[in-house]
Amino acid sequence: DTEVTQTPKHLVMGMTNKKSLKCEQHMGHRAMYWYKQKAKKPPELMFVYSYEKLSINESVPSRFSPECPNSSLLNLHLHALQPEDSALYLCASSQQGWANIQYFGAGTRLSVL
Amino acid sequence: GIQVEQSPPDLILQEGANSTLRCNFSDSVNNLQWFHQNPWGQLINLFYIPSGTKQNGRLSATTVATERYSLLYISSSQTTDSGVYFCAVDSGGGADGLTFGKGTHLIIQP
Repeated sequence: DTEVTQTPKHLVMGMTNKKSLKCEQHMGHRAMYWYKQKAKKPPELMFVYSYEKLSINESVPSRFSPECPNSSLLNLHLHALQPEDSALYLCASSQQGWANIQYFGAGTRLSVL
Repeated sequence: GIQVEQSPPDLILQEGANSTLRCNFSDSVNNLQWFHQNPWGQLINLFYIPSGTKQNGRLSATTVATERYSLLYISSSQTTDSGVYFCAVDSGGGADGLTFGKGTHLIIQP
């Protein structure tokens, strides 16, 4: 099973709302990732968690707050977003080591009004 | 950081045609993956291929690490092959994020 599950699939929020994106994997992977993909652009890395610790933050604004409660779960908390934050948010996981193959979820399509 | 260039940016073919997509990268890599992104946004793993050659049905891929490029071959194209094909690499060890190329947008016409 190489499944990464993301919820919700779609999310519409206002600029004053607080919402969370959820990502789950049961492959025993120890690294999890958040990527952001704008329309007609490639995915761009936001955060990396390795063994439940934040290891990479690609200078993401503080209105995006990641959380890794355990090795299977990854959350992205959203607060005071801007319309330009509207995008597809993709979660991935990988087994660190020699073949660090990343597997992606189907994404959450976010619209900020 | 590492640079990834894909060509061509767009490709329109008739069903049954063959195609070759190219990915050039600027530094040595530990990981190179090819993905197909479907119209709903799902990134589907095609190949993990930091070096060598692999085949899976009508698709095959070759990476020449010493010359810093990878090729994805699609034979006997079907309309379901349409979508965006991304090459993505990482050059570090451990859990590093992938750097994606801009993709090749492939349209297969019936």
